Amino acid sequence: QSVLTQPPSVSGAPGQRVTISCTGSSSNIGAAYDLHWYQQLPGTAPKFLISINTNRPSGVPGRISGSRSGSSASLAITELQTEDEADYYCQSYDNSLDGWVFGGGTKLTVL
Amino acid sequence: QVQLQESGPGLVKPSETLSLTCTVSGVSISTYYCSWIRQPPGRGLEWIGYIYYGGSTNYNPSLKSRVAISADTSKNQFSLRLTSVTAADTAVYYCARSSGRDSSGIDYWGQGTLVTVSS
Repeated sequence: QSVLTQPPSVSGAPGQRVTISCTGSSSNIGAAYDLHWYQQLPGTAPKFLISINTNRPSGVPGRISGSRSGSSASLAITELQTEDEADYYCQSYDNSLDGWVFGGGTKLTVL
Repeated sequence: QVQLQESGPGLVKPSETLSLTCTVSGVSISTYYCSWIRQPPGRGLEWIGYIYYGGSTNYNPSLKSRVAISADTSKNQFSLRLTSVTAADTAVYYCARSSGRDSSGIDYWGQGTLVTVSS
């Protein structure tokens, strides 16, 4: 059972917009700690994608964005492309565990 | 260019100790949070722990009694020891680094190394 909760899967057609949610609590996302998103292609290491509180890293397209509301966060991908098909993970710091916590991961399927 | 590379045995017997080393190039480990993260086959990511500023450590409470992370700044390496392993410890183990505890993402990862616990 992950500390951060993500839907197991989402899907969308090419060109569409999808969002992936990440729900936490008052000891992590709700405490205003930064929330980070990672993309993991099959058989590869996770790749840092975006942080909610900071600017998008260079090389990450503008059609990928993140937002927060209370103890939840979302990753939005617009203009969906086949190469976006991957697993996505959210991650934050948790002050009750005094360490990092991950979401269980969401598999994005491009139909 | 920052690179991280895990090394160590790919097979460990039950009840024995898993030992891995991460060699970092392109940046000094002394100024970063250097972490171990694992991923059981077909499952999600689990934070194991990190060592920061070359010496202080924090561990996942669920593994704390069995894990130790250390660093050799002269070699720019940090290491993981996990004792009394069982089949549940079979996973791909990643070393990774972040610039901070909560304000920075984990921006560099090793390629990962599969460790299988089996007799």
